[in-house]
Amino acid sequence: DVKVTQSSRYLVKRTGEKVFLECVQDMDHENMFWYRQDPGLGLRLIYFSYDVKMKEKGDIPEGYSVSREKKERFSLILESASTNQTSMYLCASSGTGVGYGYTFGSGTRLTVV
Amino acid sequence: KNQVEQSPQSLIILEGKNCTLQCNYTVSPFSNLRWYKQDTGRGPVSLTIMTFSENTKSNGRYTATLDADTKQSSLHITASQLSDSASYICVVSSASKIIFGSGTRLSIRP
Repeated sequence: DVKVTQSSRYLVKRTGEKVFLECVQDMDHENMFWYRQDPGLGLRLIYFSYDVKMKEKGDIPEGYSVSREKKERFSLILESASTNQTSMYLCASSGTGVGYGYTFGSGTRLTVV
Repeated sequence: KNQVEQSPQSLIILEGKNCTLQCNYTVSPFSNLRWYKQDTGRGPVSLTIMTFSENTKSNGRYTATLDADTKQSSLHITASQLSDSASYICVVSSASKIIFGSGTRLSIRP
């Protein structure tokens, strides 16, 4: 089974801190995604990546950046955390073809105080 | 506009009863439709995936149906168990887009 591992389940950070959320997948998937999930809003795409060093903005990239130096690892960076970035963050990966083999990590619940 | 609408928003049923969740979409061109189960505080887990030519797909007590003509899908849960309490998310993909529904929150009462 594909495993997508997110480094932290729960995280509490202060406003203005730089925050790194790490995601690792073990099935050699080309595509990786970062979503945030908020009550009543569903999942919203922040950034995605087709390949190493490739990245594309999703629907809500403001305030975030990403890094994909290795195929198996996709990092989400909050340059200066703000309280409105308190959310559940979900990483996912998929094989070739958008929408296929789409597997999620367990999520990171980030609270910015 | 590509959209995925789920109903109801929330549902409470007694353990052992059946229920059906609905998903209507306007995503075009259509590639596939997935149903995910998301337990509280966890990531979504795939239940079923259906392409254009498939009408029904089962996974244990979960049965998904797809009507590509009317752009509707349903997820039927048979003989519900307490562990079925979760959010159920419908996800529709085109060639270039993945659109998530807002989910149905299902609560099973003993």
